[in-house]
Amino acid sequence: EDKVVQSPLSLVVHEGDTVTLNCSYEVTNFRSLLWYKQEKKAPTFLFMLTSSGIEKKSGRLSSILDKKELFSILNITATQTGDSAIYLCAVGNFGNEKLTFGTGTRLTIIP
Amino acid sequence: DAGITQSPRHKVTETGTPVTLRCHQTENHRYMYWYRQDPGHGLRLIHYSYGVKDTDKGEVSDGYSVSRSKTEDFLLTLESATSSQTSVYFCAIRDREGTEAFFGQGTRLTVV
Repeated sequence: EDKVVQSPLSLVVHEGDTVTLNCSYEVTNFRSLLWYKQEKKAPTFLFMLTSSGIEKKSGRLSSILDKKELFSILNITATQTGDSAIYLCAVGNFGNEKLTFGTGTRLTIIP
Repeated sequence: DAGITQSPRHKVTETGTPVTLRCHQTENHRYMYWYRQDPGHGLRLIHYSYGVKDTDKGEVSDGYSVSRSKTEDFLLTLESATSSQTSVYFCAIRDREGTEAFFGQGTRLTVV
């Protein structure tokens, strides 16, 4: 069975700090890894990483994929209170197109 | 928003009653998913669909059934609701293989 593990489960930092969120996975026929941000309602898409795109960056957020070691990290620099959210990692595979999610990391930014 | 509507947004029902949640999309996307979200468990896949009348089970499918008779609608049915099915349910859609999924706003279901 496909498995996605995120760490830490929760994280509290001060505004301006840099944070690193982790996602490890065990998936048959890996196709892609996706990061989502969830505030009060629906998860919103951040990045997708694949064999052909192992690094992504958007503003203060960046992510890398290590296909050999089967993990990804999401970095957020110069954190702001608006970054407070649950960050979800998901993996997709070839064949059945399921998306398997981890339990998420709850990030709290203190002003 | 990506053209996904879930209904109802909130529902309270009694144990043993049938419940149907609806996911409607206007994007003509092929793939549709139903997840439940509970504290400590993240998003868990209940069922998903890869086309009209084509569905498959996820990791927590017991007690749930689905139907997709049209591209735009994916229904989730709890045949006989139990308190353990109290949760927030999210629908997601995906255009094709290997792309990102977009989520609906969720349905909060309480079984009393």
